[in-house]
Amino acid sequence: QQQVKQSPQSLIVQKGGIPIINCAYENTAFDYFPWYQQFPGKGPALLIAIRPDVSEKKEGRFTISFNKSAKQFSLHIMDSQPGDSATYFCAASYGQNFVFGPGTRLSVLP
Amino acid sequence: GAGVSQSPSNKVTEKGKDVELRCDPISGHTALYWYRQSLGQGLEFLIYFQGNSAPDKSGLPSDRFSAERTGGSVSTLTIQRTQQEDSAVYLCASSQSGTQETQYFGPGTRLLVL
Repeated sequence: QQQVKQSPQSLIVQKGGIPIINCAYENTAFDYFPWYQQFPGKGPALLIAIRPDVSEKKEGRFTISFNKSAKQFSLHIMDSQPGDSATYFCAASYGQNFVFGPGTRLSVLP
Repeated sequence: GAGVSQSPSNKVTEKGKDVELRCDPISGHTALYWYRQSLGQGLEFLIYFQGNSAPDKSGLPSDRFSAERTGGSVSTLTIQRTQQEDSAVYLCASSQSGTQETQYFGPGTRLLVL
């Protein structure tokens, strides 16, 4: 019940494409869903986050779509750039408990 | 201002030796987390400190792992009698209060046990 599933494991898109990363959870107690971006040799950094009272949140080129009934959420990156190449982690949280997905390695080709 | 810092950045040790990993959180942050990230894997929660409260040690994989946080600031993660399967990147994160606040991660310590 504490697991967060994430797919795909890796993703390659051309510059300008729209990569989509999907996550799913089981525990309905989760009420905060952040996405983290990690570059090689660096720690993860918060990218965008959503709470279950909204179905979509957009910040710049990054959008989270949230489906509470399906217990799924996804990250969309509009007009992707080579600089977006990184590993992306979804997470689910309640209280101080954070559970991370296994990560998606994204490569954006020039 | 300064972010979360960790030291050493890299550590190579021999199987059976003890290692200490250090984390300096952002000043004023009361919550501190330790995670382990194995190659190509997600983040595995290890331990959580909040202020002066007893830490949540539910993620520690064995009794060879321990952590302390002195004065509500610097934290040290100790691994005794290291094993090859302990090889991973150990990440520290801090947040203002812990409950669904943004976690700020350090760069990690890359541990290799030979």
